[in-house]
Amino acid sequence: QVTLRESGPALVKPTQTLTLTCTFSGFSLSTSGMCVSWIRQPPGKALEWLALIDWDDDKYYSTSLKTRLTISKDTSKNQVVLTMTNMDPVDTATYYCARLCVVGAAYYWGQGTLVTVSS
Amino acid sequence: QSALTQPASVSGSPGQSITISCTGTSSDVGGYNYVSWYQQHPGKAPKLMIYDVSNRPSGVSNRFSGSKSGNTASLTISGLQAEDEADYYCSSYTSSSTGNVFGTGTKVTVL
Repeated sequence: QVTLRESGPALVKPTQTLTLTCTFSGFSLSTSGMCVSWIRQPPGKALEWLALIDWDDDKYYSTSLKTRLTISKDTSKNQVVLTMTNMDPVDTATYYCARLCVVGAAYYWGQGTLVTVSS
Repeated sequence: QSALTQPASVSGSPGQSITISCTGTSSDVGGYNYVSWYQQHPGKAPKLMIYDVSNRPSGVSNRFSGSKSGNTASLTISGLQAEDEADYYCSSYTSSSTGNVFGTGTKVTVL
Protein backbone atom coordinates (compact mmCIF):
# COMPACT_ATOMS: atom_id res chain seq x y z
CA GLN A 1 0.00 0.00 0.00
CA VAL A 2 1.04 3.61 -0.44
CA THR A 3 2.51 5.42 2.55
CA LEU A 4 4.34 8.72 2.97
CA ARG A 5 6.22 10.00 6.01
CA GLU A 6 7.74 13.41 6.65
CA SER A 7 10.87 13.92 8.70
CA GLY A 8 12.95 16.91 9.69
CA PRO A 9 13.70 19.26 12.56
CA ALA A 10 10.91 20.25 14.91
CA LEU A 11 12.57 23.58 15.68
CA VAL A 12 14.56 25.95 13.49
CA LYS A 13 15.87 29.43 14.17
CA PRO A 14 14.92 32.51 12.15
CA THR A 15 17.05 32.95 8.99
CA GLN A 16 18.05 29.28 9.00
CA THR A 17 17.35 26.89 6.14
CA LEU A 18 14.77 24.14 6.69
CA THR A 19 15.32 20.74 5.12
CA LEU A 20 12.44 18.26 5.11
CA THR A 21 12.44 14.73 3.76
CA CYS A 22 9.45 12.76 2.51
CA THR A 23 10.07 9.02 2.49
CA PHE A 24 7.45 7.04 0.63
CA SER A 25 6.59 3.47 -0.30
CA GLY A 26 4.10 1.70 -2.53
CA PHE A 27 5.02 3.62 -5.67
CA SER A 28 8.10 4.83 -7.53
CA LEU A 29 8.90 8.33 -8.69
CA SER A 30 10.48 6.79 -11.76
CA THR A 31 7.02 5.63 -12.91
CA SER A 32 5.29 7.84 -15.45
CA GLY A 33 2.53 9.94 -13.89
CA MET A 34 3.84 9.86 -10.34
CA CYS A 35 4.46 13.05 -8.34
CA VAL A 36 5.00 14.23 -4.79
CA SER A 37 3.89 17.60 -3.43
CA TRP A 38 4.63 19.52 -0.26
CA ILE A 39 1.79 21.33 1.49
CA ARG A 40 1.86 23.25 4.76
CA GLN A 41 -0.68 24.40 7.34
CA PRO A 42 0.06 27.05 9.98
CA PRO A 43 -1.68 26.36 13.30
CA GLY A 44 -5.39 27.10 12.96
CA LYS A 45 -5.02 28.21 9.36
CA ALA A 46 -5.61 26.90 5.85
CA LEU A 47 -3.63 24.49 3.73
CA GLU A 48 -1.06 26.01 1.38
CA TRP A 49 0.46 24.16 -1.56
CA LEU A 50 4.23 24.72 -1.77
CA ALA A 51 5.89 22.65 -4.47
CA LEU A 52 5.87 19.41 -6.42
CA ILE A 53 8.24 17.20 -8.36
CA ASP A 54 7.21 14.64 -10.94
CA TRP A 55 8.58 11.44 -12.40
CA ASP A 56 10.28 13.39 -15.20
CA ASP A 57 12.07 15.61 -12.65
CA ASP A 58 9.90 18.60 -13.58
CA LYS A 59 9.48 20.96 -10.65
CA TYR A 60 6.71 23.40 -9.84
CA TYR A 61 6.66 26.01 -7.08
CA SER A 62 4.21 28.29 -5.35
CA THR A 63 4.52 31.69 -6.98
CA SER A 64 4.76 33.47 -3.63
CA LEU A 65 7.50 31.21 -2.22
CA LYS A 66 9.46 30.08 -5.26
CA THR A 67 12.53 32.15 -4.46
CA ARG A 68 12.92 30.30 -1.14
CA LEU A 69 12.04 26.73 -2.15
CA THR A 70 13.97 23.90 -3.74
CA ILE A 71 12.51 20.44 -4.30
CA SER A 72 14.50 17.39 -5.32
CA LYS A 73 14.17 13.62 -5.43
CA ASP A 74 16.28 10.55 -4.81
CA THR A 75 14.50 7.84 -6.74
CA SER A 76 16.75 5.07 -5.40
CA LYS A 77 15.82 5.96 -1.81
CA ASN A 78 12.16 6.77 -2.53
CA GLN A 79 12.64 10.21 -1.03
CA VAL A 80 11.71 13.78 -1.90
CA VAL A 81 13.51 16.66 -0.19
CA LEU A 82 12.23 20.20 0.27
CA THR A 83 14.47 23.03 1.37
CA MET A 84 13.15 26.41 2.43
CA THR A 85 15.62 29.22 3.03
CA ASN A 86 15.46 32.22 5.33
CA MET A 87 12.91 30.76 7.74
CA ASP A 88 10.69 33.17 9.68
CA PRO A 89 8.27 32.66 12.58
CA VAL A 90 5.37 32.97 10.09
CA ASP A 91 6.66 29.75 8.50
CA THR A 92 5.69 27.84 11.64
CA ALA A 93 3.38 25.14 10.36
CA THR A 94 2.67 21.46 9.94
CA TYR A 95 4.34 20.37 6.72
CA TYR A 96 2.77 17.53 4.76
CA CYS A 97 3.93 15.58 1.76
CA ALA A 98 1.32 13.99 -0.47
CA ARG A 99 1.08 12.12 -3.74
CA LEU A 100 -0.29 15.04 -5.69
CA CYS A 101 0.51 16.05 -9.24
CA VAL A 102 -0.04 19.28 -11.16
CA VAL A 103 -3.51 18.04 -12.03
CA GLY A 104 -5.44 15.55 -9.99
CA ALA A 105 -6.00 15.07 -6.30
CA ALA A 106 -4.13 13.83 -3.26
CA TYR A 107 -5.51 10.50 -2.09
CA TYR A 108 -2.37 9.73 -0.10
CA TRP A 109 -0.90 12.03 2.56
CA GLY A 110 1.78 11.76 5.20
CA GLN A 111 0.85 12.39 8.82
CA GLY A 112 2.60 15.77 8.78
CA THR A 113 5.48 17.19 10.78
CA LEU A 114 5.24 20.34 12.89
CA VAL A 115 8.04 22.82 12.35
CA THR A 116 8.35 25.73 14.77
CA VAL A 117 10.47 28.75 13.88
CA SER A 118 11.73 30.47 16.99
CA SER A 119 14.93 31.82 18.43
CA GLN B 1 -1.54 32.69 -6.55
CA SER B 2 -4.46 33.75 -4.32
CA ALA B 3 -6.33 31.22 -2.23
CA LEU B 4 -9.76 30.13 -3.38
CA THR B 5 -12.57 31.73 -1.36
CA GLN B 6 -14.73 29.62 0.96
CA PRO B 7 -17.19 30.63 3.68
CA ALA B 8 -15.54 30.50 7.10
CA SER B 9 -18.28 28.37 8.59
CA VAL B 10 -21.41 26.43 7.69
CA SER B 11 -23.70 24.65 10.10
CA GLY B 12 -26.67 22.33 9.96
CA SER B 13 -28.72 19.92 12.02
CA PRO B 14 -28.38 16.16 11.75
CA GLY B 15 -30.15 14.88 8.65
CA GLN B 16 -30.08 18.21 6.87
CA SER B 17 -28.11 19.09 3.74
CA ILE B 18 -25.48 21.79 3.57
CA THR B 19 -23.48 23.25 0.69
CA ILE B 20 -19.99 24.75 0.82
CA SER B 21 -18.92 27.07 -1.97
CA CYS B 22 -15.44 27.57 -3.40
CA THR B 23 -14.93 30.61 -5.60
CA GLY B 24 -11.94 31.11 -7.84
CA THR B 25 -11.22 32.54 -11.26
CA SER B 26 -11.03 31.44 -14.86
CA SER B 27 -7.37 30.58 -14.22
CA ASP B 28 -8.30 27.85 -11.76
CA VAL B 29 -11.81 26.67 -10.80
CA GLY B 30 -13.54 28.13 -13.84
CA GLY B 31 -10.99 27.02 -16.38
CA TYR B 32 -10.43 23.38 -15.52
CA ASN B 33 -12.29 20.38 -14.14
CA TYR B 34 -9.60 19.68 -11.57
CA VAL B 35 -11.38 20.71 -8.38
CA SER B 36 -10.96 18.52 -5.31
CA TRP B 37 -12.41 18.60 -1.82
CA TYR B 38 -10.74 17.48 1.41
CA GLN B 39 -12.09 16.79 4.88
CA GLN B 40 -9.81 17.41 7.87
CA HIS B 41 -10.51 16.47 11.45
CA PRO B 42 -8.48 18.16 14.21
CA GLY B 43 -4.91 16.92 14.37
CA LYS B 44 -5.33 14.71 11.31
CA ALA B 45 -4.12 14.81 7.74
CA PRO B 46 -6.66 15.85 5.09
CA LYS B 47 -8.80 13.14 3.50
CA LEU B 48 -9.83 13.28 -0.15
CA MET B 49 -13.61 13.41 -0.52
CA ILE B 50 -14.16 14.57 -4.13
CA TYR B 51 -11.85 14.79 -7.16
CA ASP B 52 -12.25 16.17 -10.67
CA VAL B 53 -15.24 18.28 -9.56
CA SER B 54 -17.71 15.49 -8.88
CA ASN B 55 -16.02 12.10 -8.52
CA ARG B 56 -15.93 10.22 -5.22
CA PRO B 57 -12.98 8.00 -4.31
CA SER B 58 -13.78 4.47 -3.29
CA GLY B 59 -14.97 4.34 0.29
CA VAL B 60 -16.33 7.88 0.50
CA SER B 61 -20.02 8.07 1.38
CA ASN B 62 -22.43 9.00 -1.42
CA ARG B 63 -23.77 11.66 0.95
CA PHE B 64 -20.92 13.78 -0.39
CA SER B 65 -21.30 15.28 -3.85
CA GLY B 66 -19.53 17.96 -5.87
CA SER B 67 -20.46 20.30 -8.70
CA LYS B 68 -19.25 23.40 -10.49
CA SER B 69 -20.79 26.42 -12.19
CA GLY B 70 -18.57 29.04 -13.73
CA ASN B 71 -15.83 30.06 -11.30
CA THR B 72 -17.56 28.49 -8.28
CA ALA B 73 -17.39 24.87 -7.17
CA SER B 74 -19.62 23.41 -4.48
CA LEU B 75 -19.56 20.51 -2.04
CA THR B 76 -22.88 19.25 -0.76
CA ILE B 77 -23.22 17.03 2.27
CA SER B 78 -26.63 15.43 2.54
CA GLY B 79 -28.03 13.63 5.56
CA LEU B 80 -25.60 15.50 7.81
CA GLN B 81 -24.07 13.35 10.56
CA ALA B 82 -22.08 14.18 13.68
CA GLU B 83 -18.97 12.64 12.14
CA ASP B 84 -19.13 15.18 9.29
CA GLU B 85 -18.12 17.94 11.71
CA ALA B 86 -14.68 18.95 10.41
CA ASP B 87 -12.84 21.49 8.30
CA TYR B 88 -13.28 21.25 4.54
CA TYR B 89 -10.91 22.57 1.88
CA CYS B 90 -11.30 22.86 -1.86
CA SER B 91 -8.34 22.73 -4.20
CA SER B 92 -7.81 23.35 -7.89
CA TYR B 93 -5.18 23.30 -10.56
CA THR B 94 -4.14 26.84 -11.38
CA SER B 95 -2.49 28.05 -14.55
CA SER B 96 -1.17 31.05 -12.61
CA SER B 97 1.66 28.99 -11.21
CA THR B 98 1.10 25.73 -13.08
CA GLY B 99 0.48 24.15 -9.72
CA ASN B 100 -2.22 23.83 -7.13
CA VAL B 101 -4.14 26.25 -4.95
CA PHE B 102 -6.22 25.52 -1.86
CA GLY B 103 -9.27 27.27 -0.51
CA THR B 104 -9.49 29.29 2.68
CA GLY B 105 -11.27 26.46 4.46
CA THR B 106 -14.76 26.01 5.92
CA LYS B 107 -15.59 24.76 9.39
CA VAL B 108 -18.68 22.58 9.35
CA THR B 109 -20.60 22.38 12.60
CA VAL B 110 -23.33 19.83 13.24
CA LEU B 111 -25.81 21.44 15.61
